[in-house]
Amino acid sequence: QKEVEQDPGPLSVPEGAIVSLNCTYSNSAFQYFMWYRQYSRKGPELLMYTYSSGNKEDGRFTAQVDKSSKYISLFIRDSQPSDSATYLCAMRTPNSGGSNYKLTFGKGTLLTVNP
Amino acid sequence: DAGVIQSPRHEVTEMGQEVTLRCKPISGHDYLFWYRQTMMRGLELLIYFNNNVPIDDSGMPEDRFSAKMPNASFSTLKIQPSEPRDSAVYFCASSLRARKAGSTDTQYFGPGTRLTVL
Repeated sequence: QKEVEQDPGPLSVPEGAIVSLNCTYSNSAFQYFMWYRQYSRKGPELLMYTYSSGNKEDGRFTAQVDKSSKYISLFIRDSQPSDSATYLCAMRTPNSGGSNYKLTFGKGTLLTVNP
Repeated sequence: DAGVIQSPRHEVTEMGQEVTLRCKPISGHDYLFWYRQTMMRGLELLIYFNNNVPIDDSGMPEDRFSAKMPNASFSTLKIQPSEPRDSAVYFCASSLRARKAGSTDTQYFGPGTRLTVL
């Protein structure tokens, strides 16, 4: 079993739809959970991060973490064509001693929002 | 700031040739990461440095791969000899260690080098 599983999609939705993207993980030591957005032929960029459990909202984006189920989600409200990209979840364990900044990424979900 | 700079942006080479990828991190960042991205395997961490010192190279696939960071503003990833299965997009990323509890460092990615080995 891979440490992080993410459905690669592709996911195609009409403009204005609510989008739900998800990842599951197996390592219970993960404490930091991130979502990166990657436009075609570009590098990933950090969209949101959550520390431990709970929800976090930023504009049209909401990140949720359910540590009991080892499940994280990203919701996009009122989706726009400009949201069309690949969304990658990423996670890591807390720093320890000499630091541990290794991120483990999901494979990414390709999202297309049609006008 | 110009962001993370990578060169070349595209590289096409023949099997057996040496390939050198270059990265200039964001000034002041103390972590540098090399990743490889393919459709099959997604984004994989190859190696990362802290203050120019390699911390974790467990993702380097084999001895054909080597990485150096001679100073805070430059790093290279070398493949010698290259093989067709090395074809991928290679990303460099840099970050600054988070200082506040519960916050996390943001990794800033470069535009990537698209490597094709024929």
